Amino acid sequence: DVVMTQSPLSLPVTLGQPASISCRSSQSLVYSDGNTYLNWFQQRPGQSPRRLIYKVSNRDSGVPDRFSGSGSGTDFTLKISRVEAEDVGVYYCMQGTHWPSFGQGTKVEIK
Amino acid sequence: QVQLVQSGAEVKKPGASVKVSCKASGYTFTSYGISWVRQAPGQGLEWMGWISAYNGNTNYAQKLQGRVTMTTDTSTSTAYMELRSLRSDDTAVYYCARDSPTSTVTEDAFDIWGQGTMVTVSS
Repeated sequence: DVVMTQSPLSLPVTLGQPASISCRSSQSLVYSDGNTYLNWFQQRPGQSPRRLIYKVSNRDSGVPDRFSGSGSGTDFTLKISRVEAEDVGVYYCMQGTHWPSFGQGTKVEIK
Repeated sequence: QVQLVQSGAEVKKPGASVKVSCKASGYTFTSYGISWVRQAPGQGLEWMGWISAYNGNTNYAQKLQGRVTMTTDTSTSTAYMELRSLRSDDTAVYYCARDSPTSTVTEDAFDIWGQGTMVTVSS
């Protein structure tokens, strides 16, 4: 099984400031078609997960452009350029290249 | 609009079984698969398994093998997840999510989620 490791697990941020979450996989996430199936999800309190980013860096429809994803191979990052109050929640990375697995989650809160 | 609507909350005794449904609308059901994901209280997301609505193929997480069965009813565009021999640590919110129609990965995977079904296992 592919293990996904996120850091930090807790991220207090000031409104308007940037935030960054790291995700590392125990194996390469490059698929046989050349794509890398690394997704990022946001889960607000009491809600279902919502996909923000797919294939490392592609934003889903309706996702603000302050969210961006980057990385390759086994090392990935989600960045929020300027944190807003509505960004509070838990963020998960998930690999879909192999049978799916999720990171432990990173809780983003406002300082 | 594209959506997945799940059945309501369940309370079960240890050793019992539960069957959760996930009804799809707004897209061609048989062109995708469904994955099931659960989340214990205050914990992270755990992938449980996948079923193809295209051909009925399944793949289950190793830790649930033998206790879980996923099925689909293409006539009603509904996916089902049955979990047997329930234990207290099966208490969780269970989600369905749209996934690839075959074991070949696609970028649509996990783009749509159901609202979740709370399953409580308690004596």
